[in-house]
Amino acid sequence: SQQGEEDPQALSIQEGENATMNCSYKTSINNLQWYRQNSGRGLVHLILIRSNEREKHSGRLRVTLDTSKKSSSLLITASRAADTASYFCATVSGSARQLTFGSGTQLTVLP
Amino acid sequence: DTAVSQTPKYLVTQMGNDKSIKCEQNLGHDTMYWYKQDSKKFLKIMFSYNNKELIINETVPNRFSPKSPDKAHLNLHINSLELGDSAVYFCASSPGHGELFFGEGSRLTVL
Repeated sequence: SQQGEEDPQALSIQEGENATMNCSYKTSINNLQWYRQNSGRGLVHLILIRSNEREKHSGRLRVTLDTSKKSSSLLITASRAADTASYFCATVSGSARQLTFGSGTQLTVLP
Repeated sequence: DTAVSQTPKYLVTQMGNDKSIKCEQNLGHDTMYWYKQDSKKFLKIMFSYNNKELIINETVPNRFSPKSPDKAHLNLHINSLELGDSAVYFCASSPGHGELFFGEGSRLTVL
């Protein structure tokens, strides 16, 4: 079954605005990761947050994790047209080495 | 240099045929994966493999089989192709405890 669910499924914003995407999951996790996928390309790792962390930053990216609510959010500040892509959350649970992906959010940044 | 490379990028074939997709990684990672991405962009893990262990997603038909001639390669063989096998197949590798590095995908179309 699908572990993560992203919300919204699609998001369209103007360049310069902030974009927030949410991810909910069902089981306890070791870590949660966010990936970006440009159209027709492979997925690229953006950021990893461990279960004992609450917030993490990387450049214009800010990720939060609330394990009590089993949810995470990805904030992209000052968005650019080049940020247009699909964004996926993925979780690692227990002793598994496998990532389970959510359904993705399609972000469109209009110039 | 491409870290995870998979060939072919596009594959069009008839129902009932047998086909293979090759994957190679030059990152020295111990674990490799195959994922299937459907038309709604949902990613499902098919296999994970390292030197010691093959983990198969039980929902994957036994027409699909991974073959690893060495640590740097994990090829995907598909027998008796069906229309529902049409998808984009991604190879990925990992050092085993964090992010995944994806190939660019192989788009399979079964006619």
